Amino acid sequence: AQRVTQPEKLLSVFKGAPVELKCNYSYSGSPELFWYVQYSRQRLQLLLRHISRESIKGFTADLNKGETSFHLKKPFAQEEDSAMYYCALSAYSGAGSYQLTFGKGTKLSVIP
Amino acid sequence: EAGVTQFPSHSVIEKGQTVTLRCDPISGHDNLYWYRRVMGKEIKFLLHFVKESKQDESGMPNNRFLAERTGGTYSTLKVQPAELEDSGVYFCASSHVGTGELFFGEGSRLTVL
Repeated sequence: AQRVTQPEKLLSVFKGAPVELKCNYSYSGSPELFWYVQYSRQRLQLLLRHISRESIKGFTADLNKGETSFHLKKPFAQEEDSAMYYCALSAYSGAGSYQLTFGKGTKLSVIP
Repeated sequence: EAGVTQFPSHSVIEKGQTVTLRCDPISGHDNLYWYRRVMGKEIKFLLHFVKESKQDESGMPNNRFLAERTGGTYSTLKVQPAELEDSGVYFCASSHVGTGELFFGEGSRLTVL
């Protein structure tokens, strides 16, 4: 069974400081990993996925299969980055369908 | 394009009562998922529909929970009778078949007193 671990419940950083939100996973197959974000009073939304290798809002995440990690990074935090961040692993469950397994989430607080 | 919509946004009921949550997925999305986040815990999978068929309901906590998706469009999740531990936020998500990217609704917060 797949598992996603986010070791930090809360991460506080000053504006302009670098941010790293940690995510480790366990999965026997080839993983597809995502970061979802939930801003205050908004719905859960996709931030980025490892397959696309793109940078969204200055965030990047690299899949490290050797360390089974998918840490989310941003060089300079902004106040608007304050939100709840969830790492998620997508596993194929048959019939063209996937099931997402979420970590517990990390609340990022950017201090002005 | 309208996103995933859920109703109600918040429901407060007493233990033993019944509540029905509704989810309207994005038009054309055959996959529909229900997830739940109980206070302080992670978002957990409940079940998954492909069109009107239940593909996976391994996450349903017990037989007090009943999900339906008649006609393969909107879905309902009924809790009967509700217990205190059912309190949490229930998320619905939808996607096209063949993709792992899910689009989430805003969630329905359930409070059982």
